[in-house]
Amino acid sequence: DAKTTQPPSMDCAEGRAANLPCNHSTISGNEYVYWYRQIHSQGPQYIIHGLKNNETNEMASLIITEDRKSSTLILPHATLRDTAVYYCIAAPKSSASKIIFGSGTRLSIRP
Amino acid sequence: EAQVTQNPRYLITVTGKKLTVTCSQNMNHEYMSWYRQDPGLGLRQIYYSMNVEVTDKGDVPEGYKVSRKEKRNFPLILESPSPNQTSLYFCASSRQGAETQYFGPGTRLLVL
Repeated sequence: DAKTTQPPSMDCAEGRAANLPCNHSTISGNEYVYWYRQIHSQGPQYIIHGLKNNETNEMASLIITEDRKSSTLILPHATLRDTAVYYCIAAPKSSASKIIFGSGTRLSIRP
Repeated sequence: EAQVTQNPRYLITVTGKKLTVTCSQNMNHEYMSWYRQDPGLGLRQIYYSMNVEVTDKGDVPEGYKVSRKEKRNFPLILESPSPNQTSLYFCASSRQGAETQYFGPGTRLLVL
């Protein structure tokens, strides 16, 4: 499974867009990019995933570079409730595979 | 309500005393997994199961056992707990692998 690297921490002003980068330079052709977040010590929550096209849902947008070696999660209008640790994962959809979370990015939203 | 439940939520035990943490999901998911979380180390996968009677090792399987006799249940067994297994444990399930995993609320384990 491809490893991912993320900055350990970021901050963003409330109401602004939060852009969280992720590097996955060794990603394989069959691996998707998944994003999860964890608020305090609760169970992580799924946000979004994609293969090579950009994706958008009610929570966020995911931009994947054309070479698929990096991606950016965008929270369009960050609120205080978006303060969390965000994890980027590269893994195949197949269930026959380990999932490696990494250390994530701690996002702080300032009022 | 779709959910993953874990029991117990909190547990204090002593070295060597066998324990089981239960995990159950009500979504008919095929994939289930156990993670541990330690400060500064993020989430690390212990074991995963692709379906009933099919399990495989994650990144940190040493000292743990699992079983998947029924689709909905995936218990984590510590045969002889040690202090380095003090951690926050999460169970998760999904239809398939990393896709849209649902996580349980976590179990805090302290091994003295």
